[in-house]
Formats: sequence, C-alpha cells, structure tokens
Amino acid sequence: QSALTQPASVSGSPGQSITISCTGTSSDVGGYNYVSWYQQHPGKAPKLMIYEVSNRPSGVSNRFSGSKSGNTASLTISGLQAEDEADYYCSSYRSSSTVFGTGTKVTVL
Amino acid sequence: EVQLLESGGGLVQPGGSLRLSCAASGFTFSSYAMSWVRQAPGKGLEWVSTISGSGAGTYYADSVKGRFTISRDNSKNTLYLQMNSLRAEDTALYYCAKTIYYDGTGSVCDYWGQGTLLTVSS
Repeated sequence: QSALTQPASVSGSPGQSITISCTGTSSDVGGYNYVSWYQQHPGKAPKLMIYEVSNRPSGVSNRFSGSKSGNTASLTISGLQAEDEADYYCSSYRSSSTVFGTGTKVTVL
Repeated sequence: EVQLLESGGGLVQPGGSLRLSCAASGFTFSSYAMSWVRQAPGKGLEWVSTISGSGAGTYYADSVKGRFTISRDNSKNTLYLQMNSLRAEDTALYYCAKTIYYDGTGSVCDYWGQGTLLTVSS
C-alpha cells in the first residue's frame, strides 16, 4: 500500500500562511471525502487537526483549514506561530483500508 | 476524559509472537471503531488495523495481513493486537487510537495513546 505524497518540508515566517499538499489517486484522496490531517510534535502522539477534508475537531484553531481538488488535498496554516512547528501527516480512506502520507516537517523561521 | 493506555510491547525474536493491549476509558467503548497505528523509529505513521465497534468488521494493512489479528472485548473496554511471525520491519511504536466512526470506514483517529514499543531483533 503506497503512501500518499507530501513535500518533505515546508517553512514560513511567523504570521505567514503555508500550504501542505497531499497527493494521492482516484482510489483514495480523489475518490472519497475521508481525508484527515494530523500534527505530531517530537516525542508526542499525533493530534487530529482536520477530518473529512475540511472539518475541524473541537478545540483546533481556525488557523488550520483543509481543502481538496481532484486527487490532491491541502492543509493551510494561516498566521503561522512557533507552536505550529511539527510534523504533519495526511491520511485517506482507500478501499477498506487507510493510508497515511509521507509526512511534512513544518519549520517556523 | 478519554484515556488510552497501551501495554505489552517489548523485545521479541524474529518469528516470535506478542499481544498488545489497550485499555480505554472516558467514552462508550463499544460505540466506536478502534485502530492500531505504528511508527518505526524516525519514520512516518503507518496504519496497521481497524476494528468496528461491534468487532464484526476488521481491516488490515497488506503488510500485516495474515500475521496480525485485531480484536476487542467490549465488556472490558480493551483493544488487542495479536502479532505473529514477527519481522524486523515490524519494529515500531504502536499507537492505539479511537476513531470517530462506529464502523471501519476511514480510520479517523481523534484520540491516541502514548504508544508501546515493539522491537523485533535477535
């Protein structure tokens, strides 16, 4: 089961907006609205940030937003803050299974 | 407060077996599908398996199909992962996670444990 493709790293200055892409196929990202995004700080468990493409769980800052176009989903972080520096993973449903992305390290300059 | 506490990790020789457990509390356990997700040292997340709230539906990654068995005991609020024929590439931190759905559709995990480490080595 091949992973979804994410850029290895994305960086931005405090206050800026950044976007992380997550590219799959019509069998996963493009075929279902079951795309999620997770944030993981070093040594910590992942945290759900976005589910079903664009829904935010209770307690997640509205600076985080998700979208999808075709086979590519995106996570946008606006008003970048130091605490946003972490690894981010997308995931998608794929025919009775779940697949994660390769992960993106976000660096706040 | 939702709590997930994994246990059972350790050092196992290649070809060996081990069972992981995850004790859940703070929510109606039987109402939600549960998943196992692993992370090899320094690597990304890998979905391993999901089980529906009733236990009737089970789903596995190709990498573990036929070797791992997920199960749950709703009377004990406990999730299990029986791992057989272990390989070096199974070495990872194994997370137990609660999903937001009852069935196994799209393992969206809103609560995670802290993980239990499995090392497969001779």
